[in-house]
Amino acid sequence: GNSVTQMEGPVTLSEEAFLTINCTYTATGYPSLFWYVQYPGEGLQLLLKATKADDKGSNKGFEATYRKETTSFHLEKGSVQVSDSAVYFCALGPNDYKLSFGAGTTVTVRA
Amino acid sequence: EAQVTQNPRYLITVTGKKLTVTCSQNMNHEYMSWYRQDPGLGLRQIYYSMNVEVTDKGDVPEGYKVSRKEKRNFPLILESPSPNQTSLYFCASSLLGLAKTGELFFGEGSRLTVL
Repeated sequence: GNSVTQMEGPVTLSEEAFLTINCTYTATGYPSLFWYVQYPGEGLQLLLKATKADDKGSNKGFEATYRKETTSFHLEKGSVQVSDSAVYFCALGPNDYKLSFGAGTTVTVRA
Repeated sequence: EAQVTQNPRYLITVTGKKLTVTCSQNMNHEYMSWYRQDPGLGLRQIYYSMNVEVTDKGDVPEGYKVSRKEKRNFPLILESPSPNQTSLYFCASSLLGLAKTGELFFGEGSRLTVL
């Protein structure tokens, strides 16, 4: 079945540092890939997505490229801010009427 | 404002005392779903509904019930809660059953503690 593995956190960075969160997946067929973000005390919200191989999703300075050859969808941001402190979830789907989520990576950015 | 609303946001209860977590969305979405979030496990789907009166089990349905009598509401029922159901619960909805966009809209979560 479909599954997602993402790097374990927590990750602590200084402002303006470069952020990478690794995500790899196992899937049958050709799923779409997503990054969701959960800010403190809130529900998850879609950050970006890619629907086919070599697509790049981008939003709020974050980017991720759908790499079929390495089954990866790593999230990157060139210069993080304190407001980027959140939990980030990689997900894939839809399959069997759901999205499959990774375990989440907690990111803390210090001023 | 488009939103998914869950209640209660926080609840402490005791083993065996029936409870219901309500979920309501104002976006006219057909698809609704419940997830639970546990440390190290990410989000796991409990139940989902493709439309009114159409519900089905997700990955971890044991101990839970749902109903979908109206399009906007999708309550989660714990008939006899147990401590292993202590978790953070999220309701989510989507237009067109995820197939078109894959985008889920989440509520703010309900933190449940079962003693």
